[in-house]
Amino acid sequence: EPEVTQTPSHQVTQMGQEVILRCVPISNHLYFYWYRQILGQKVEFLVSFYNNEISEKSEIFDDQFSVERPDGSNFTLKIRSTKLEDSAMYFCASSEDLQQQQFFGPGTRLTVL
Amino acid sequence: SQQGEEDPQALSIQEGENATMNCSYKTSINNLQWYRQNSGRGLVHLILIRSNEREKHSGRLRVTLDTSKKSSSLLITASRAADTASYFCATVDSGGYQKVTFGTGTKLQVIP
Repeated sequence: EPEVTQTPSHQVTQMGQEVILRCVPISNHLYFYWYRQILGQKVEFLVSFYNNEISEKSEIFDDQFSVERPDGSNFTLKIRSTKLEDSAMYFCASSEDLQQQQFFGPGTRLTVL
Repeated sequence: SQQGEEDPQALSIQEGENATMNCSYKTSINNLQWYRQNSGRGLVHLILIRSNEREKHSGRLRVTLDTSKKSSSLLITASRAADTASYFCATVDSGGYQKVTFGTGTKLQVIP
């Protein structure tokens, strides 16, 4: 069964450093998403991406964040200058169309020291 | 109250018993979904119910949706120790690009 994959599973970085979280969505999906979950809190929407552009973003998704689909398979989330409060689990998701469920990846745990 | 509030926040039952979790939401939705998350792990999609559906079954899971009350329930029958996890309801608003808004979750503990 096709699945969304994410790398790395765990990323440790120093405050102020840039990180890139990678996702490979399911191959025939057209809609892509990033969510995050701070430890002990609920999952929060960050951004949705369709047709090579951001279609919706939350207040959390400020200028420090960017997303890109650099090729036909990868979907990345970049945090330019990490802060301590960026420590969280980051989930990528994809869906075939707007009416179908989103399939979530296993997540990348980001720890900012 | 926030979109997607689950009730109760925590539930502890004996193996074999049924577990019922409730969710309330505030907006007009396209669909409502339930997810499971084992501690610190990924999200497992359980079931999706559309706004024009009232009940859906999947194995030991039964989900109901009452759009007039803006509420949903998840019933797990004949619970097992392996069902121990956090359960989240998540809504997709009608219109827009289908972002999923998650609730705060119910922590279910099934005691063997």
